Amino acid sequence: QVHLQESGPGLVKPSETLSLTCNVSGSSISSPYYWAWIRQPPGKGLEWIASIYHSGNTYYNPSVESRVTVSVDTSKNQFSLKVNSMIAADTAFYYCARVRAGRFLFDFWGQGILVTVSS
Amino acid sequence: EIVMTQSPATLSVSPGERATLSCRASQSVSSNLAWYQQKPGQAPRLLIYGASTRATGIPARFSGSGSGTDFTLTISSLQSDDFAVYYCQQYNNWYSFGQGTKLEIK
Repeated sequence: QVHLQESGPGLVKPSETLSLTCNVSGSSISSPYYWAWIRQPPGKGLEWIASIYHSGNTYYNPSVESRVTVSVDTSKNQFSLKVNSMIAADTAFYYCARVRAGRFLFDFWGQGILVTVSS
Repeated sequence: EIVMTQSPATLSVSPGERATLSCRASQSVSSNLAWYQQKPGQAPRLLIYGASTRATGIPARFSGSGSGTDFTLTISSLQSDDFAVYYCQQYNNWYSFGQGTKLEIK
């Protein structure tokens, strides 16, 4: 069974950079799947942020592309997300997930991590 | 942008009964439609993809149907573990999620 686990800070200050890591187990991150970051503000809908392939190929949601970077570390079987210039509207549950097919079908998800932006 | 509309917003059903959830797309998404279940404090869980294919480990009491613009998720004989929020999502043209249907115990 594929298992994903997010790690990172639960609180960041406005204007700071958020760094999250997703550790993947039960599947090689070098298998033929993309890996994604998705977020959900409390009580609101789901927003896809970005996806990455083990080769390093990436694609981003244009709404956040200027502030976001995703990377992959195949030696550690993990991938990461950085979001610059965090603002209150970035407060959300952040999930990592595996992309089953195409670009936007997500079959395995991490449990999520709540990131609050506050001074 | 394809808008996904779910109905009803809240559905009250007794354990053991059948639940029928609807999802309508503002334009055809072919069969590129998924259903997710989300419980409080948990990540969404993929139930159905391709409109009618159950994901790995999903019980047979969950079934999906439809194509084009109208889709249905049916849960036969509801169990206590099934009370949650259900989202539909199209992945035919970019992506979009419905606003969710909360399935609550009657």
